[in-house]
Amino acid sequence: NAGVTQTPKFQVLKTGQSMTLQCAQDMNHEYMSWYRQDPGMGLRLIHYSVGAGITDQGEVPNGYNVSRSTTEDFPLRLLSAAPSQTSVYFCASSYSTGTGIYEQYFGPGTRLTVT
Amino acid sequence: KNQVEQSPQSLIILEGKNCTLQCNYTVSPFSNLRWYKQDTGRGPVSLTIMTFSENTKSNGRYTATLDADTKQSSLHITASQLSDSASYICVVSANYGGSQGNLIFGKGTKLSVKP
Repeated sequence: NAGVTQTPKFQVLKTGQSMTLQCAQDMNHEYMSWYRQDPGMGLRLIHYSVGAGITDQGEVPNGYNVSRSTTEDFPLRLLSAAPSQTSVYFCASSYSTGTGIYEQYFGPGTRLTVT
Repeated sequence: KNQVEQSPQSLIILEGKNCTLQCNYTVSPFSNLRWYKQDTGRGPVSLTIMTFSENTKSNGRYTATLDADTKQSSLHITASQLSDSASYICVVSANYGGSQGNLIFGKGTKLSVKP
């Protein structure tokens, strides 16, 4: 299993540009999430999905869109990049252990710089 | 407000020494607490997950403790190795009907192990 994969690993955008961060998992996990990690802050949830066709907003959703057409893929779209979106983005997939606990696996991250 | 506070912010120890990292939380209703290890440039990896009824859990040289009454957890690392150099993140899950979109992340403790 490749686990959770993310592309690209690094990206530089100009203000106002749009792009899509790709995320894929091959573990057949029902749950997928996008987080951003900024210096001096904990990971913050952007959007999440509980299954194909179902998405919901997290703590910091503004400026981002997601869709989940398949179980495997969960792309994150930046509509009009802003310097405040400079961050490291992590995708994660999870499955329920059946005891109320979700075992979570993270991808390697995408480092995005917006100038 | 649900919060997870970790201390110290950073720590330097010599190889072979033990260390303890602290996590205090004000998350309610509590579901479970987990510790992640995050190597530089990589995504977090789960070390342990503890529910309300568990007060100690080990994973090799890592031992986590949980005191649900005082809302405190600690991660003890025994006989540290250079590969233990990483950030250690405490994450508390609030119990909102089984949804996994409610993980509260601490800011992490950055551990450096020196030879």
